[in-house]
Amino acid sequence: GQQLNQSPQSMFIQEGEDVSMNCTSSSIFNTWLWYKQDPGEGPVLLIALYKAGELTSNGRLTAQFGITRKDSFLNISASIPSDVGIYFCAGRGGYQKVTFGTGTKLQVIP
Amino acid sequence: DAGVIQSPRHEVTEMGQEVTLRCKPISGHDYLFWYRQTMMRGLELLIYFNNNVPIDDSGMPEDRFSAKMPNASFSTLKIQPSEPRDSAVYFCASSLIRVGTDTQYFGPGTRLTVL
Repeated sequence: GQQLNQSPQSMFIQEGEDVSMNCTSSSIFNTWLWYKQDPGEGPVLLIALYKAGELTSNGRLTAQFGITRKDSFLNISASIPSDVGIYFCAGRGGYQKVTFGTGTKLQVIP
Repeated sequence: DAGVIQSPRHEVTEMGQEVTLRCKPISGHDYLFWYRQTMMRGLELLIYFNNNVPIDDSGMPEDRFSAKMPNASFSTLKIQPSEPRDSAVYFCASSLIRVGTDTQYFGPGTRLTVL
């Protein structure tokens, strides 16, 4: 089946620093999605990307859909304590079936 | 809107018992998804429905798992008999799929512990 490799697995950063994480796939996706999960909650969609090369921002978050359609990255600028959580990439190849990455656990040190 | 509602939030049961997890999707949504989350395997799609009809159940681990959606406002995931390796957080999500939108709204999850 499709595999999504997400890196890094975890990160500790100082408040105010920028963060970058990425996701690579063994298969092509038509859609890339980035979610955030807070403890005890379900994932919440942050950004959706629909075209290869697309660069989309949502506040301090910026994500890009790789040209090869096999990768995507998410940047968070000027991190704040509430950015703490687990970030998941997800890809959709066809129909509505979405494959999730393994997650990046972000810790922000005040 | 109350969002996706799942019950129970926590379930502790003994091996061999039947477990039923419940989900109420957001009103008007036409897709419903069941996911399982574990440390080892991450978030896995188990099954999804479109207009109450199961579309893809290839993620269902084995015959002990079954899911139903008798109407647009209710779905169940049943495990019978349960085993310790079924311990996980089970999420239900719903969406209204239109061109250019992929938002799946997740419920708070049911944390299942099988002893």
